[in-house]
Amino acid sequence: TQLLEQSPQFLSIQEGENLTVYCNSSSVFSSLQWYRQEPGEGPVLLVTVVTGGEVKKLKRLTFQFGDARKDSSLHITAAQPGDTGLYLCAGKITQGGSEKLVFGKGTKLTVNP
Amino acid sequence: EPEVTQTPSHQVTQMGQEVILRCVPISNHLYFYWYRQILGQKVEFLVSFYNNEISEKSEIFDDQFSVERPDGSNFTLKIRSTKLEDSAMYFCASRGDRGGLFFGSGTQLSVL
Repeated sequence: TQLLEQSPQFLSIQEGENLTVYCNSSSVFSSLQWYRQEPGEGPVLLVTVVTGGEVKKLKRLTFQFGDARKDSSLHITAAQPGDTGLYLCAGKITQGGSEKLVFGKGTKLTVNP
Repeated sequence: EPEVTQTPSHQVTQMGQEVILRCVPISNHLYFYWYRQILGQKVEFLVSFYNNEISEKSEIFDDQFSVERPDGSNFTLKIRSTKLEDSAMYFCASRGDRGGLFFGSGTQLSVL
């Protein structure tokens, strides 16, 4: 069973602070995706990282895939109240012709004004 | 912007009843999925569907569950005889050849 552990589970910070959330596994993934989920809505894709060591930036968000493709981090610079939400990492597992995503439980981020 | 559409948004049913959850994936997508999320828990994979057949299914997707693509646009999840523990938010998702999944807004299923 492939498990993705996300930490911290909850994070409450003040506007303007920086933060990093982590996604760790003992399994190797063909790629890893980060999603953001609002209450009552489906997850929305933020980024996909594919290559070990890859770094992608999306405005104030920086995503990194570990060299061994087992872990990833999301760093937010100068957080804003609009960043509040549940951040999910999901590892893609490809077997034969099929694939599926395995999700972590998420990090619930609250940015206070 | 194209989106995945799910209906109904909420479904309340009695234990033992059949329910059909409906999804319209993004029109040029070829891969379709159902996931579910029990309140407070993580998003769980149920089934993937490609080329008119199931590609993979999880242990949750037992004989009570089935999926169908009855026409060129709809993708349905049927639960034959619902149980209390089937209560969850059910998400449909689709993707093209590459890239991440596009999720619908979900159907909140409540089994009483």
